Amino acid sequence: QLQLQESGPGLVKPSETLSLTCNVSGGSISSSQNWGWIRQPPGKGLEWIGKIFYSVSPYYHPSLSDRITISVDTSKNQFYLTMNSVTVADTAVYYCVRPTGVGGHYPDFWGQGTLVTVSS
Amino acid sequence: QSALTQPASVSGSPGHSITISCTGTSNDIGGYNYVSWYQQHPGKAPKLMIFDVTDRPSGVSDRFSGSKSGNTASLTISGLQAEDEADYYCTSYTNKGTFGVFGGGTKLTVL
Repeated sequence: QLQLQESGPGLVKPSETLSLTCNVSGGSISSSQNWGWIRQPPGKGLEWIGKIFYSVSPYYHPSLSDRITISVDTSKNQFYLTMNSVTVADTAVYYCVRPTGVGGHYPDFWGQGTLVTVSS
Repeated sequence: QSALTQPASVSGSPGHSITISCTGTSNDIGGYNYVSWYQQHPGKAPKLMIFDVTDRPSGVSDRFSGSKSGNTASLTISGLQAEDEADYYCTSYTNKGTFGVFGGGTKLTVL
């Protein structure tokens, strides 16, 4: 059974860079076409951050595209999210996911989520 | 404001049935049979319950069913149980962007 697990700092200062790692187990990261990130601000709904196809073609949400990078390391079976210039509005639970379906429009596997708080 | 519209809350008694609606447009729900539903318990990750409007992943109870009419998709839960109390989110493929669109979520209370 495929399992995803996020890791990274729980607290980031405003204007700094957030870096998260998603470790994939129970299967090769190369066996799937798509990997992605979704976040959920406290008490709010789900928001796409971005996704990457075939480990080389990233797609970023337009509202975040100038601040984020998603990449894959097949040798480590991991993929990553980097978000620059964070603000308090970026406080959320961040989930790594495996997008599937047409255009990877919905995830079938999710990590447990990691809470990232942006605060000085 | 979410792209898909869900009621903020619904409630039902144990053993009864409830239906959660999810309304979009012809660019998403109305145009494609690509609607999914998630269940999310507090502090947990969302769990896929329905995909492609009506299909259930392996292991999901057949008390959960999905349907669609026009621009509105629905999730029906029959034989309500206390463990069904959770937030439910819909999502759909859309031809207006690269990402699926989510509903704002519905809180189900089992009375």
